[in-house]
Formats: sequence, C-alpha cells, structure tokens
Amino acid sequence: DAKTTQPPSMDCAEGRAANLPCNHSTISGNEYVYWYRQIHSQGPQYIIHGLKNNETNEMASLIITEDRKSSTLILPHATLRDTAVYYCIVRVNTNAGKSTFGDGTTLTVKP
Amino acid sequence: DTAVSQTPKYLVTQMGNDKSIKCEQNLGHDTMYWYKQDSKKFLKIMFSYNNKELIINETVPNRFSPKSPDKAHLNLHINSLELGDSAVYFCASSQAWRGKPGELFFGEGSRLTVL
Repeated sequence: DAKTTQPPSMDCAEGRAANLPCNHSTISGNEYVYWYRQIHSQGPQYIIHGLKNNETNEMASLIITEDRKSSTLILPHATLRDTAVYYCIVRVNTNAGKSTFGDGTTLTVKP
Repeated sequence: DTAVSQTPKYLVTQMGNDKSIKCEQNLGHDTMYWYKQDSKKFLKIMFSYNNKELIINETVPNRFSPKSPDKAHLNLHINSLELGDSAVYFCASSQAWRGKPGELFFGEGSRLTVL
C-alpha cells in the first residue's frame, strides 16, 4: 500500500472550515483514499473515502487531485468536538490491504 | 449494540506473564485486524485474517499469536510479556464490497501495561 504524508499539526477556529492535506504521490490505480480520525485514544473512526472523484457526506468533503497524488479533507464548519488526530490512508480494493496508518495530523479547533 | 468489542479494556500485568485479548464483531465482516498503538501514537498493523485465514502478518515477534475460531472472532495471545509490549491494541474489521476495500470499524482498544 502507498505511503501517505500529512502535516503533524494544524489549528482551526471554531465555525471555520478545516482543510487537512494529504500527500500520496505513490498511489496506484486500485488504491482508494480513506480518512479516519481518532479522538483522544478512542478507536479510530471512519470519515470518508474516494477513488478519483470528489466525495461528500454528512461529516466532510474529500477533494482528490486529478493526478490522485494528493487529497484534502474538508470539515466545513469545525467544532470543538472535531479536535482529533486525522489519518489519511490508502487501501487496495480487496480485504488484503495493509491499511498502514501514518503519523496523522493533530487538528486543534480553538474557540 | 457494539459493532466491534474488545475485552479487557485495561490489562496490567507483570513481565514474563502470558495474556490474551479477545475481539468480536457483529457486523458480518469477513476480515479482522489487530493494530498496535504505542506511546508515540503510531498505529501499526500487526495481523489480518480473512475468513479465519491469516493474510497479513507484519514483523511481529512470534510471542504474539492470533487465533480466529470463526470469522466473527479474532483473539490475540501474547506470551512472555515484555515492557515494550505496553501499548493500546485495537481490533478492527472490514468488508470488501464491489471492488471497494470497505471502511475499517475499530473497537475501543485494550490498554496493556506491562510492569
């Protein structure tokens, strides 16, 4: 599975959009981009995923560049409860994928 | 109803002991995983089972032995515990569907402390 690179930390003001970047320049054609977050040592929680099209759900939006080498997770109106470590991973389209997590980005939402 | 449940949540034990952590998922998923998260918060995959068969075995000491009695359960047994085994162990499951790998559902973690 491809490796991902994320900034170690980011701050965001409450109510503003949080844009979390992820670089996955070695991604291959059958790998999906997944985002998870981990709030204070709880189990990681699924947020969103995509292959090449932009995706949106009730939690966030995912923007994937045309060459698929990077993506951005957007939390449109960040709240204090969104403070967490956000992980971007890539996974192959079978259950055999390793789903290796990188260091993630610690997002701190400030009042 | 908890989707992925692990027991125990906390485990404190002495070096050299043998201990087990149990995991059960009620999602009907075919694949289950064990991850280890150390004090630096790096989440690293250890094992993956698909329909009771081992498909991923990362560089893990053979003191760690996973066992999957059926596809809903994946237990982790650790022999001769060492200080470096102290970590939070997460169980997860997923289900591939129509070419998509399926999202991972994680348990709440089992915090192991070796004294």
